[in-house]
Amino acid sequence: AQKITQTQPGMFVQEKEAVTLDCTYDTSDPSYGLFWYKQPSSGEMIFLIYQGSYDQQNATEGRYSLNFQKARKSANLVISASQLGDSAMYFCAMSRTSGSARQLTFGSGTQLTVLP
Amino acid sequence: DTGVSQDPRHKITKRGQNVTFRCDPISEHNRLYWYRQTLGQGPEFLTYFQNEAQLEKSRLLSDRFSAERPKGSFSTLEIQRTEQGDSAMYLCASSSTRQWRNTEAFFGQGTRLTVV
Repeated sequence: AQKITQTQPGMFVQEKEAVTLDCTYDTSDPSYGLFWYKQPSSGEMIFLIYQGSYDQQNATEGRYSLNFQKARKSANLVISASQLGDSAMYFCAMSRTSGSARQLTFGSGTQLTVLP
Repeated sequence: DTGVSQDPRHKITKRGQNVTFRCDPISEHNRLYWYRQTLGQGPEFLTYFQNEAQLEKSRLLSDRFSAERPKGSFSTLEIQRTEQGDSAMYLCASSSTRQWRNTEAFFGQGTRLTVV
């Protein structure tokens, strides 16, 4: 069975600073995918970034980067130059197959608040 | 491309009643997913379709739940004899296996069900 652990229920960051949201995972599958989603108060889940278990380099998407440490089973999200609009709930998730969004297992989330 | 659309956005029902939700995925997406999200938790996978075939079902999907995608386009999720424990946000997502990156699942804004 797969499991995602997000140990930070809430985080605060000053506008324009960088912030790291923690995510650890557990799986016995050799092939898997790791995802980060943002959920604003409107409720819609917004895809941010993806990392495959066989990818050698850390994924980056604009201001988002995923710090993938396979041996530690961690997939932390780094947001650079935080903006007020980044305030939202952030979920780490994992799929059972690399290269697919099938059957995602989500963590419990981290509520990020960006302070002006 | 109007994104994933879910209807209704909110539903209040009495315990014991049946409810049906609809999801319209992004038009060219062949995969469709249903998730359930309770307050303060991450979404939990319920089921997924590839075209009209329902390929995976979670153990969370009890006999009172049924999902269909009759023509491989929109999908419905029906809950029979609703219970208070069914109160949650029901999220629909879609993705395409035909795009170069099929890792991105697009979510709708969800249907919030309240059973009283």
